[in-house]
Amino acid sequence: GDSVTQMEGPVTLSEEAFLTINCTYTATGYPSLFWYVQYPGEGLQLLLKATKADDKGSNKGFEATYRKETTSFHLEKGSVQVSDSAVYFCALGDAGGTSYGKLTFGQGTILTVHP
Amino acid sequence: KAGVTQTPRYLIKTRGQQVTLSCSPISGHRSVSWYQQTPGQGLQFLFEYFSETQRNKGNFPGRFSGRQFSNSRSEMNVSTLELGDSALYLCASSPGGTARETQYFGPGTRLLVL
Repeated sequence: GDSVTQMEGPVTLSEEAFLTINCTYTATGYPSLFWYVQYPGEGLQLLLKATKADDKGSNKGFEATYRKETTSFHLEKGSVQVSDSAVYFCALGDAGGTSYGKLTFGQGTILTVHP
Repeated sequence: KAGVTQTPRYLIKTRGQQVTLSCSPISGHRSVSWYQQTPGQGLQFLFEYFSETQRNKGNFPGRFSGRQFSNSRSEMNVSTLELGDSALYLCASSPGGTARETQYFGPGTRLLVL
């Protein structure tokens, strides 16, 4: 079945540091890939997405490139802010078969940014 | 557009009781998915509804059920509650429920089973 693996966390950084959160996936066919962010006490918000190989998703300074050859979708940001502190989830939407409305999530990575 | 809304936001129940959670999708969205979020298991897919029909279901026992109404609003029901059902239940909506579409999440209902 489909699966998503995120790097072990939590991640603690100083403001303006470079961020990478690794995400790899296993899926049949050609999935769509997403990064969602969850702030304390809230639901999930879409951060960015990519729907085909070599697509780059970007939003609010975050970027991720859909790499089919390495089955990866790593999240990066050049300079993090305290306000980026949250839990980040990598997710996969399988385009095949009858996988309607189903996202498969990684375990989440807690990011804490200190001033 | 208004976002996805979920009611109630918090619930406390005791073992053996049943509970119904409600989700109102974004206007025009016909697909509603439900997820369970726990510290141990993370985010797990429960089921998806489209045009009042369940099209997809995750690996949860039959105690977990749902339905969708003609206005796309959805409810999920958990019968005979167990302690392990304590979780944040999230619903998400999208136009058609396909893999390429973004799912928009509500704030969740936090259920505590005592």
